[in-house]
Amino acid sequence: QQPVQSPQAVILREGEDAVINCSSSKALYSVHWYRQKHGEAPVFLMILLKGGEQKGHEKISASFNEKKQQSSLYLTASQLSYSGTYFCGTGYSSNTGKLIFGQGTTLQVKP
Amino acid sequence: NAGVTQTPKFQVLKTGQSMTLQCAQDMNHEYMSWYRQDPGMGLRLIHYSVGAGITDQGEVPNGYNVSRSTTEDFPLRLLSAAPSQTSVYFCASSYSLGGTRRGYTFGSGTRLTVV
Repeated sequence: QQPVQSPQAVILREGEDAVINCSSSKALYSVHWYRQKHGEAPVFLMILLKGGEQKGHEKISASFNEKKQQSSLYLTASQLSYSGTYFCGTGYSSNTGKLIFGQGTTLQVKP
Repeated sequence: NAGVTQTPKFQVLKTGQSMTLQCAQDMNHEYMSWYRQDPGMGLRLIHYSVGAGITDQGEVPNGYNVSRSTTEDFPLRLLSAAPSQTSVYFCASSYSLGGTRRGYTFGSGTRLTVV
């Protein structure tokens, strides 16, 4: 039931773009994206709901493909502050308390 | 608002000891969850709650108990600590908007070592 994230790790130079994917074998209702810096708690970035919407948050945006049960996180013109581990969390109904996370994607942005 | 408060921040237990990890939130959130984080394993759901008096098991519930007697508090009990329970534990809370649960706010975590 755990969603699968790819790639496991990415190394970028400042200004480059990255895409992180999250796939589920089960029908999704919602996908959450979080970023965690080393030694800190995860921080919520955005939520996408069933309906295939795309959302944006400064230079970080995400899409949700309901047919493929997949979400992608897009980081454009990356900054040093984007470094960290990104997690997707998947929900399978509207009001469930159960949010299952992927194994994470580590992103390192170098100067 | 203090957000989600976890105590203690660090704890060392001996095998077989029991203890309770505390979690409190002051945002009137109905949803609360406990996760453990181990290197390379991501965040794994232990138990969760959708409101006072209602709890359910997550992915890795064995060895842990929870209760939710109030909206604010969601303690996690380790019944008989084992070295395999060495981990970082996060408590998180969320609210519902438009019938849908929104993003989680996480506490700062408890680093637990079982020797």
